[in-house]
Amino acid sequence: GESVGLHLPTLSVQEGDNSIINCAYSNSASDYFIWYKQESGKGPQFIIDIRSNMDKRQGQRVTVLLNKTVKHLSLQIAATQPGDSAVYFCAENARNDYKLSFGAGTTVTVRA
Amino acid sequence: DAEITQSPRHKITETGRQVTLACHQTWNHNNMFWYRQDLGHGLRLIHYSYGVHDTNKGEVSDGYSVSRSNTEDLPLTLESAASSQTSVYFCASRSGGTGELFFGEGSRLTVL
Repeated sequence: GESVGLHLPTLSVQEGDNSIINCAYSNSASDYFIWYKQESGKGPQFIIDIRSNMDKRQGQRVTVLLNKTVKHLSLQIAATQPGDSAVYFCAENARNDYKLSFGAGTTVTVRA
Repeated sequence: DAEITQSPRHKITETGRQVTLACHQTWNHNNMFWYRQDLGHGLRLIHYSYGVHDTNKGEVSDGYSVSRSNTEDLPLTLESAASSQTSVYFCASRSGGTGELFFGEGSRLTVL
């Protein structure tokens, strides 16, 4: 079965609000985590990543939080914009393993 | 700029026919992957390769094969297409166990 999963399949957000997308993983050997954004008809695009020796990492308008104790990962998007409407995937791999395992994805819809 | 390209982008075929999806990357990555994407399942790993002449089965490898004769290409072959193989197929490549997995734009395959 899958080792990575998202808590909610859909998320509706008002434009300008902050979005939080959650992800749970089960593999205690997971060492590297990554978030992808996929727009309709396109391949997944990298958003941000985090190693297991960190608990927080920030990018432009995005923050990833990692809680290894409860095996939980979240992606926060600040001031959500219409262009943020997409499917978001979390993925992970173990140390020395080059293949990523993906969750099922959360569809984010931004309301004007 | 380095890139990863897939062809064809769209294909319709009949049950029982052999189909090959091409993947070509100019990143000079040793690690290449094929995923399929279906509604509700996210991205599932079909086959992967860590270098020339290396191939490995992923979680949904039945009915598929790959070959790696050079660094740049990892073609995916469906020996005898089945309707259950109707899906969107993504090729990806990566340099190591951390860092971005670069995706192609996808190949939509319909098996009638």
